[in-house]
Amino acid sequence: SQTIHQWPATLVQPVGSPLSLECTVEGTSNPNLYWYRQAAGRGLQLLFYSVGIGQISSEVPQNLSASRPQDRQFILSSKKLLLSDSGFYLCAWDRGRGDTQYFGPGTRLTVL
Amino acid sequence: QKEVEQNSGPLSVPEGAIASLNCTYSDRGSQSFFWYRQYSGKSPELIMFIYSNGDKEDGRFTAQLNKASQYVSLLIRDSQPSDSATYLCAVNHNSGNTPLVFGKGTRLSVIA
Repeated sequence: SQTIHQWPATLVQPVGSPLSLECTVEGTSNPNLYWYRQAAGRGLQLLFYSVGIGQISSEVPQNLSASRPQDRQFILSSKKLLLSDSGFYLCAWDRGRGDTQYFGPGTRLTVL
Repeated sequence: QKEVEQNSGPLSVPEGAIASLNCTYSDRGSQSFFWYRQYSGKSPELIMFIYSNGDKEDGRFTAQLNKASQYVSLLIRDSQPSDSATYLCAVNHNSGNTPLVFGKGTRLSVIA
């Protein structure tokens, strides 16, 4: 069966500090991978998605970036965090072509 | 711009009643439709998916799809306080690897 991991689970960072969130998927190969952000009380905002190693599509221009160094690894980064980067960051995967999308447990980021 | 619309709620129903959650979508070419449940502070989890017009039942849940009217609904029979959550509708055009488009969710409160 497939499993998706995210870490850390919670993170408190000062404004201007760097960020690295990691997501890995087990039990499948060549998944589509996604990063979402959910601000408090708000809907899901798609940040990035990837259909293969090194292939990243950005949905929203901002100070975040994503990388996919391995087939089942997806990393979300920032060089300098802003207060507005606070939120619940969710990684997800699917097999594409309208298949079900599965979410990881999420990382709650607070920027102070 | 593909859009998915949901009433944000809160929708309050008494325990044991039927909860009806609705979702409309803008892209007539959409092929796959999903309902997710998200408890506060947790990641979304799949309840069910539907691809064809009509009803699909799974336990206390029934998804209804009407492609001509471009709406999809979720009925929850015998609602329980544990059903209190935000319900997200998601739609996929199914053309290659395009990401799901999520609605902002409807918050359901089941009152004991």
